[in-house]
Amino acid sequence: EIVLTQSPATLSLSPGEGATLSCGASQSVKNNYLAWYQQKPGLAPRLLMYDASRRATGIPDRFTGSGSGTDFTLTISGLEPEDFAVYYCQQYGTSPALTFGGGTKVEIK
Amino acid sequence: QVQLVESGGGVVQPGRSLRLSCAASGFTFSRYAMHWVRQVPGKGLEWVAATSYDGNKKYYADSVQGRFTISRDNSRNTLYLYISTLRAEDSALYYCASDVYSSGWFDNWGQGSLVTVSS
Repeated sequence: EIVLTQSPATLSLSPGEGATLSCGASQSVKNNYLAWYQQKPGLAPRLLMYDASRRATGIPDRFTGSGSGTDFTLTISGLEPEDFAVYYCQQYGTSPALTFGGGTKVEIK
Repeated sequence: QVQLVESGGGVVQPGRSLRLSCAASGFTFSRYAMHWVRQVPGKGLEWVAATSYDGNKKYYADSVQGRFTISRDNSRNTLYLYISTLRAEDSALYYCASDVYSSGWFDNWGQGSLVTVSS
């Protein structure tokens, strides 16, 4: 099983600042099959990125996914108030066995 | 628009069984792989089970293999999760999620159905 480790656990930032979220895999993720989700309190997760760097439909371009192999990054350039949430990475390189990272909370400083 | 609506959760005694349902609308359900993902409130996400678009292939997380059964009825646009011999550690919010390309990422999610296992 591929274990995904997200860091930091919490990121305290102000609106307008940039955010860099990391997702490390215990072994190389096949074909960079990695997705990112955003989850707000009381709501279901929402798909942001897939294939490490492809934005899902309707996702603004301030969200950028990058990385390969075992190291992946989600970058948010210029945090908007609605971006404060918990972010999860998920690998599907070993599909159908799928795993999630533990999450990074982006909170208002 | 795409809607996934889970139901069937509640408070259940340990050792009992439960069936969750997920009613789909707004897309061609029979063409999509579907998944169940669970989340203990305040904690992270855990993939639980998946089924191919036609229901012929089914996959489970090791942690639930043998006790959970995923199924679907494409004529009713509904996904199911049958959980037997419930344990306290099965207490979670259960989401159904669609997988448009059968690739393993989830393009749409329901709002979840809460299962609490308690005597």
